[in-house]
Amino acid sequence: AQSVSQHNHHVILSEAASLELGCNYSYGGTVNLFWYVQYPGQHLQLLLKYFSGDPLVKGIKGFEAEFIKSKFSFNLRKPSVQWSDTAEYFCAGGDKIIFGKGTRLHILP
Amino acid sequence: DAGITQSPRHKVTETGTPVTLRCHQTENHRYMYWYRQDPGHGLRLIHYSYGVKDTDKGEVSDGYSVSRSKTEDFLLTLESATSSQTSVYFCAISGAGLDRGVTEAFFGQGTRLTVV
Repeated sequence: AQSVSQHNHHVILSEAASLELGCNYSYGGTVNLFWYVQYPGQHLQLLLKYFSGDPLVKGIKGFEAEFIKSKFSFNLRKPSVQWSDTAEYFCAGGDKIIFGKGTRLHILP
Repeated sequence: DAGITQSPRHKVTETGTPVTLRCHQTENHRYMYWYRQDPGHGLRLIHYSYGVKDTDKGEVSDGYSVSRSKTEDFLLTLESATSSQTSVYFCAISGAGLDRGVTEAFFGQGTRLTVV
């Protein structure tokens, strides 16, 4: 069965700190991987996506992710976070677009 | 934002009553999905559709049914609502890639359903 797992459920960082959120997937076949962000009270917005090609993917708002096939991972990174990055982040993938349980990110001003 | 409209946006209903949520798209995308979002569980797939009259179950399909008679509409029905179905429901759409299964999903604004 397809599955996506996120390692960190709640992360607290100070502004300007670096961020890395873990995501692992478990499914075969075509690779479709995504990171979404959800701000309080809003719907999900796509941050970035990976299908093939360069394993380092750049998205919106300064986020990037690296696909490592040997580790079945697709971790999200940002070199320097801002208070406005406070949100919930979801990794997703597969042909049914299965989601991980999410990571709540809280940035201290 | 992609053209996805969910209705109603909020609903309170009584246990045991049937409830239908509607998702309407104007993007002519092939795939449509219904998810529920609950604290600590992320988004869980209820049902999805890969074409008109083609649907399949997701992770948490018990107690839910769907129908897709037109490309643009995907209906989610709770046959007999229970308190455990109190949740926020999101509809999503995605297209078909050239050499891959699906493209990224775009989400509606969500429907907050409360079963009392």
